Amino acid sequence: QSALTQPASVSGSPGQSITISCTGTSSDVGGYNYVSWYQQHPGKAPKLMIYAVSDRPSGVPDRFSGSRSGNTASLTISGLQAEDEADYYCSSFTISSTLWVFGGGTKLTVL
Amino acid sequence: EVQLVESGGGVVQPGGSLRLSCAASGFSFDDYVMHWVRQGPGKGLEWVSLISGDGSDTYSADSVKGRFIISRDNSKNSLYLQMNSLTTEDTAVYFCARDSYGLDVWGTGTTVTVSS
Repeated sequence: QSALTQPASVSGSPGQSITISCTGTSSDVGGYNYVSWYQQHPGKAPKLMIYAVSDRPSGVPDRFSGSRSGNTASLTISGLQAEDEADYYCSSFTISSTLWVFGGGTKLTVL
Repeated sequence: EVQLVESGGGVVQPGGSLRLSCAASGFSFDDYVMHWVRQGPGKGLEWVSLISGDGSDTYSADSVKGRFIISRDNSKNSLYLQMNSLTTEDTAVYFCARDSYGLDVWGTGTTVTVSS
């Protein structure tokens, strides 16, 4: 069982906006600005989409944004495009002995 | 070009050992914390282990603690994962990744299959 909780799936139509949540505790998501989001297409390596809760690496479209409220981080994708269909994972630093944790992943379907 | 290339995967029997390597190029390797992340068949990402830039600090997931050892050789720009006492649960694609406030560079992965 993953330490961070994500919905198993979300869906949206092209042009719409969707939000994926990532719920942890004050020991990880809620306590540190070290939350990141990854996009993974089938058979490919993950790609960093958001780091430090809400910062975007260069080259990532500004349709992707990150935020946090309490112990829940969120990834919002606006203006959905077919190419956004992928699995998305959140991760966070944690003060537990493991130091790092991923969410279980969310499958985004673009209808 | 910034690049990570894993190698060393293969088929191993339960209880066996394997050593994975990750060759880094295009950046100052010893400036970065490095991670191993794995993904079982049809499963999500699972963090495995990390090592500080100078190799003095390491952390591992509870699922591999005492069995896997992460190390690095900065003179060779290389990261390693020594995997011992392997079980079928360790079957996965293993990725190495660079840490820059997020895992910003990933290799393509190397496949480890534990099977009798």
